[in-house]
Amino acid sequence: DTGVSQDPRHKITKRGQNVTFRCDPISEHNRLYWYRQTLGQGPEFLTYFQNEAQLEKSRLLSDRFSAERPKGSFSTLEIQRTEQGDSAMYLCASSLHESTQYFGPGTRLTVL
Amino acid sequence: EDKVVQSPLSLVVHEGDTVTLNCSYEVTNFRSLLWYKQEKKAPTFLFMLTSSGIEKKSGRLSSILDKKELFSILNITATQTGDSAIYLCAVEAGQGAQKLVFGQGTRLTINP
Repeated sequence: DTGVSQDPRHKITKRGQNVTFRCDPISEHNRLYWYRQTLGQGPEFLTYFQNEAQLEKSRLLSDRFSAERPKGSFSTLEIQRTEQGDSAMYLCASSLHESTQYFGPGTRLTVL
Repeated sequence: EDKVVQSPLSLVVHEGDTVTLNCSYEVTNFRSLLWYKQEKKAPTFLFMLTSSGIEKKSGRLSSILDKKELFSILNITATQTGDSAIYLCAVEAGQGAQKLVFGQGTRLTINP
């Protein structure tokens, strides 16, 4: 399978714990995006990388959230001190330059 | 603030019917409009529209963009139960990041 992959697919955690998600983009895609989707809503943009550089962050991305793409390949999204309001589907997408974004299967986070 | 609005939010039809889904937008620096289909996982790409008045077609699905009136429609003819899904409209807008602004989605249910 050469599509975007995400790990884990599901994560249940207790409030206050830290969690980290991983995204592996389509090979050779230089752009990588993180979105968050809550029930009944469309995905909302969180942040964007071009190669290893994080070029834009949404106001939704509080200081508890951090994302990295250390070698311009896979990316991680970490949420510190999780809150119940962080419960959502976290989607990763990748694209080659300014072409179509292709999405991964998402990581569903539940904060108890 | 960039905004994408889809209607209806929910639609239930019988197999074989034709449906039209609507998407209107108000964004700065419009670049393209995309349609995605989302079942129980990641959004899958359907169409990208950049030019006004040119219909994109794939099998029973077609879409057209009106840049003057700021809307797009997605048509599905001879619907099948496998068409049941959430259909998301997204607009690529702004400067710099190629972020997508999504609508809420239309939940389409096809009954046999």
